[in-house]
Amino acid sequence: DVKVTQSSRYLVKRTGEKVFLECVQDMDHENMFWYRQDPGLGLRLIYFSYDVKMKEKGDIPEGYSVSREKKERFSLILESASTNQTSMYLCASSLPRGMNTEAFFGQGTRLTVV
Amino acid sequence: GENVEQHPSTLSVQEGDSAVIKCTYSDSASNYFPWYKQELGKRPQLIIDIRSNVGEKKDQRIAVTLNKTAKHFSLHITETQPEDSAVYFCAASQGGATNKLIFGTGTLLAVQP
Repeated sequence: DVKVTQSSRYLVKRTGEKVFLECVQDMDHENMFWYRQDPGLGLRLIYFSYDVKMKEKGDIPEGYSVSREKKERFSLILESASTNQTSMYLCASSLPRGMNTEAFFGQGTRLTVV
Repeated sequence: GENVEQHPSTLSVQEGDSAVIKCTYSDSASNYFPWYKQELGKRPQLIIDIRSNVGEKKDQRIAVTLNKTAKHFSLHITETQPEDSAVYFCAASQGGATNKLIFGTGTLLAVQP
C-alpha cells in the first residue's frame, strides 16, 4: 500500500517563526510536490522536486523554500511565517514517466499562523 | 507556464442525474490530464486520467473526454449517487522527465438525494 506521510496534521505557529513541514514517501518516487489548498483557489503548486537536491519553483514560491536531501523526504520551509500563510498544505509524490504517473497525496497539514 | 481553468466552481444535481465538469488548459505541450476526487477531510485521490493520444476514456459511471485542438477536457459522471458528493479537481502536466502537475480550482459537487 502506497504511503505519503506528513509529519503533522495540525500546526499553530507564531508570526516570524521558521516553520518546517516534512513529507516522507515509501514508494521510491522521483517526483515530489508541495501544494497549498485554499477555498476557491484549488491546489496551487509551491515547489516541485524531480530528484534529490533538484527543485523547481511552482506558481507561488514566495516566502517558501524546500529541501530534498534524500529521495524519500521533501521538506517545505517557511522562512518567516506570516498570517497569509495560514492554509492547508499537501505533499504529493509520483513517478516521472511511464504508464502509471498517478500522484499520491499525504493527509495534509493545516497550518495556522497567529 | 501551464494554467488550468475549471468550471463550474459549484454544481448541485439530483441523485440519478448526470454531472459535467469542464477544464481548459493553456500549454499545448501538456499531454496528461488526471482527475482527482477529494472527499471532505480526506486527501485527493485519482479517479480517472486521459493521455493526449486518446479522445475519450470511460470507467463505469465516469468518463473523460479530451479535445486537444480546443485545449478542453471534461469529466462526466452519470447516474450520480450521494457518495459522489465531493470536490473534483482537474489537472494537466507535460509528462516527460518531470511530470509537473498543475491543478484547476476545483468543483464542489453536491448530489441531492
